[in-house]
Amino acid sequence: SYVLTQPPSVSVAPGETARITCGGDNVGWKSVHWYQQKPGQAPVVVMYYDSDRPSGIPERFSGSNFGNAATLTIGRVAAGDEADYYCQVWDTTSDHWVFGGGTKLTVL
Amino acid sequence: QEQLVQSGAEVKKPGASVKVSCKASGYTFTDYYVHWVRQAPGQGLEWMGWIYPNSGGTTYAQKFQGWVTLTRDTSISTAYMELSRLKSNDTAVYYCARVKMTPDSFDIWGQGTVVTVSP
Repeated sequence: SYVLTQPPSVSVAPGETARITCGGDNVGWKSVHWYQQKPGQAPVVVMYYDSDRPSGIPERFSGSNFGNAATLTIGRVAAGDEADYYCQVWDTTSDHWVFGGGTKLTVL
Repeated sequence: QEQLVQSGAEVKKPGASVKVSCKASGYTFTDYYVHWVRQAPGQGLEWMGWIYPNSGGTTYAQKFQGWVTLTRDTSISTAYMELSRLKSNDTAVYYCARVKMTPDSFDIWGQGTVVTVSP
């Protein structure tokens, strides 16, 4: 089955840029979605189809997807961005949806 | 507004079954897939399957085939997830989420239902 690999944690200082990666075999050929989940809350989509931002998500959030890695980039990180972030793809081979293991973003 | 509202927390004994509901409002229920995702304590998100309310068609993750059943009642815009033969490691938060079409993102999620399996 298809596997997405994320770093367990990423730490950045306020105002810096956070980059969260999502690795997978030729993931660049797939459409990647990203979700933010804060403690005790349901996930919220922050990026869809690699680099499209839903309404209400700040322009500081951007996404890319090439080769074997997709990246969610958060510029000018603030305390309110501290959360778990998950990438997701639909695997055409299995017709299954797959989530990455999640990355905990800590704002120092 | 468009939303999914799930049923309340459940406590079950091992071997029992649980049925969680997910009521849609603010949009046409039959126009969107309803997916189910679970999250064990301190763990990541795990996709379980989907139902298409228009036809009742379903797809299940291989891991859950044979012990998860997804159904819907279009008259009350509600989808259901029933998990049978519960074990302690089924203790988790269960979410429903809607998708317009594959491979769109899960754009609206329910608030989650805590299911606790304990002797």
